[in-house]
Amino acid sequence: DTEVTQTPKHLVMGMTNKKSLKCEQHMGHRAMYWYKQKAKKPPELMFVYSYEKLSINESVPSRFSPECPNSSLLNLHLHALQPEDSALYLCASSQVGPIYGYTFGSGTRLTVV
Amino acid sequence: QKEVEQNSGPLSVPEGAIASLNCTYSDRGSQSFFWYRQYSGKSPELIMSIYSNGDKEDGRFTAQLNKASQYVSLLIRDSQPSDSATYLCAVLGSNYQLIWGAGTKLIIKP
Repeated sequence: DTEVTQTPKHLVMGMTNKKSLKCEQHMGHRAMYWYKQKAKKPPELMFVYSYEKLSINESVPSRFSPECPNSSLLNLHLHALQPEDSALYLCASSQVGPIYGYTFGSGTRLTVV
Repeated sequence: QKEVEQNSGPLSVPEGAIASLNCTYSDRGSQSFFWYRQYSGKSPELIMSIYSNGDKEDGRFTAQLNKASQYVSLLIRDSQPSDSATYLCAVLGSNYQLIWGAGTKLIIKP
């Protein structure tokens, strides 16, 4: 299995909603990432988990809450988002110290209304 | 501030020609270099990685690395309309964090 699976593919949520994005991989990668990407911009790193522990939080607002229940799963919990949080949210995985690059999931297109 | 620079384009290339994409980086300690292809509305897809000076070929794609001059390039031979996409250069810095260029939009004209 060489894929990273993200669900849902599309999500529309109101500013008072709580929702979660899910990511799963079975490649034995021990590093997992959440990225946010706006149109015509490169991916922007949000969080890094290494061996199921949060190793990097790029000053992301607390309305985004990551969780890594085990080595194959990564969640991103969303609460009280703003319209400017609308973006493509990408999950990726890699070996720790990603000298061989990342494998990205297909992304979740999030719209906050 | 560690940076990766790419020309944003668009770069327009006739079908069948060679497309040449370039990227420069600032961190001399960088170890690994990647080219990702991203179609509109889709996620990035790793198409080439290169770790040592010189050329690396994979099918129609050739990555070139020159650490002394701090640039990495991607050549696409026999360009096809399906190659039209944004190409993102990414560099693994000395702190093991991936630094992204802004991407070059490539248009292959039939």
